[in-house]
Amino acid sequence: ELKVEQNPLFLSMQEGKNYTIYCNYSTTSDRLYWYRQDPGKSLESLFVLLSNGAVKQEGRLMASLDTKARLSTLHITAAVHDLSATYFCAVDGNDMRFGAGTRLTVKP
Amino acid sequence: GAGVSQSPSNKVTEKGKDVELRCDPISGHTALYWYRQSLGQGLEFLIYFQGNSAPDKSGLPSDRFSAERTGGSVSTLTIQRTQQEDSAVYLCASSLYRRGWVNTEAFFGQGTRLTVV
Repeated sequence: ELKVEQNPLFLSMQEGKNYTIYCNYSTTSDRLYWYRQDPGKSLESLFVLLSNGAVKQEGRLMASLDTKARLSTLHITAAVHDLSATYFCAVDGNDMRFGAGTRLTVKP
Repeated sequence: GAGVSQSPSNKVTEKGKDVELRCDPISGHTALYWYRQSLGQGLEFLIYFQGNSAPDKSGLPSDRFSAERTGGSVSTLTIQRTQQEDSAVYLCASSLYRRGWVNTEAFFGQGTRLTVV
């Protein structure tokens, strides 16, 4: 069974700082997705990564995929309060499995 | 439709009763997923439908849980003899899948919040 591990599970950052969230998975796949979830809301798609070496950027967030290492990263640059949310990675290895999520809090 | 639609949005039921949760996927999406999210937790995979193939039921937590997908479109998740530990948000997602299609990005509905009292 496909296992997806995220770390850290909880992240408290100061505004303006940088940090990286990691997503490791257990089987071969080149389909990885990042989602954002705000409290009480559903999941919103952030990034679609479909090949080894794929890099996508949107504002202060950048996601990358290394299929050989079975690792994806979500890098946060100069964090702002609006980025506070829970971030999930998901891997499609015959069905879609999610990591446990990283609850990000950005403090002023 | 424009997005994945789930109903009801909220459901309160008494312990021991049966409930049905409905998911209407995006038109043309052949893949459909059900997940369960307990308060403050991640997404627990329940079941996956892909076209006319037999569903992947490996995530269903007990035989009280079942799901159907009629005509390759609308899906119903049924929980029989509900227990308090079934209380959670049930999320449905759908994705477009065709042979050779790489992007299987899943789009989520707003969820059904189930409370068993």
